[in-house]
Amino acid sequence: TQLLEQSPQFLSIQEGENLTVYCNSSSVFSSLQWYRQEPGEGPVLLVTVVTGGEVKKLKRLTFQFGDARKDSSLHITAAQPGDTGLYLCAGVRDMRFGAGTRLTVKP
Amino acid sequence: ETGVTQTPRHLVMGMTNKKSLKCEQHLGHNAMYWYKQSAKKPLELMFVYNFKEQTENNSVPSRFSPECPNSSHLFLHLHTLQPEDSALYLCASSQEGRDYGYTFGSGTRLTVV
Repeated sequence: TQLLEQSPQFLSIQEGENLTVYCNSSSVFSSLQWYRQEPGEGPVLLVTVVTGGEVKKLKRLTFQFGDARKDSSLHITAAQPGDTGLYLCAGVRDMRFGAGTRLTVKP
Repeated sequence: ETGVTQTPRHLVMGMTNKKSLKCEQHLGHNAMYWYKQSAKKPLELMFVYNFKEQTENNSVPSRFSPECPNSSHLFLHLHTLQPEDSALYLCASSQEGRDYGYTFGSGTRLTVV
């Protein structure tokens, strides 16, 4: 089982601020995914990263996969209250998830 | 509509009750999963089914019994549960062998009293 550590565990910021959350492991992943989960709902897939060093953008969200494919980051620019939620990373092949970063964006 | 439907959304049951959770997917996926999400723990993978065959049982107590009659339906039968089993139970599906990710249902919020 490949363990995924996410940091920070909690993050509370004001609307308009930028932030970065991290997903780290000592193991190499063939691919890694990021999900967002809102209260009372299941996680929703945001992106899949496959290639070491890969950068993907989804509007104000930028995802990066580490060169060694052991870590990933999610950067949000000009956060909005609608970005509030639990951000989870997951190793695709072993179907395991990190504990997540709970983000709160205050208006 | 996420494509994965779970019922019921909420369930309160006593420790001596027997109940079942239902999951249905209309995405044509061939793999289905049960996850448990507790307040202070990461998502825990419970069971995996590929083409209706169970391929993983993650050391789950026997009071949880999965059933997958076909590739579109997945059940979790519950009996003699404990209060610590209270959690959000999530069903997911995926197309095995492709990195398309998992599509989750909205979950069943289970409370054991």
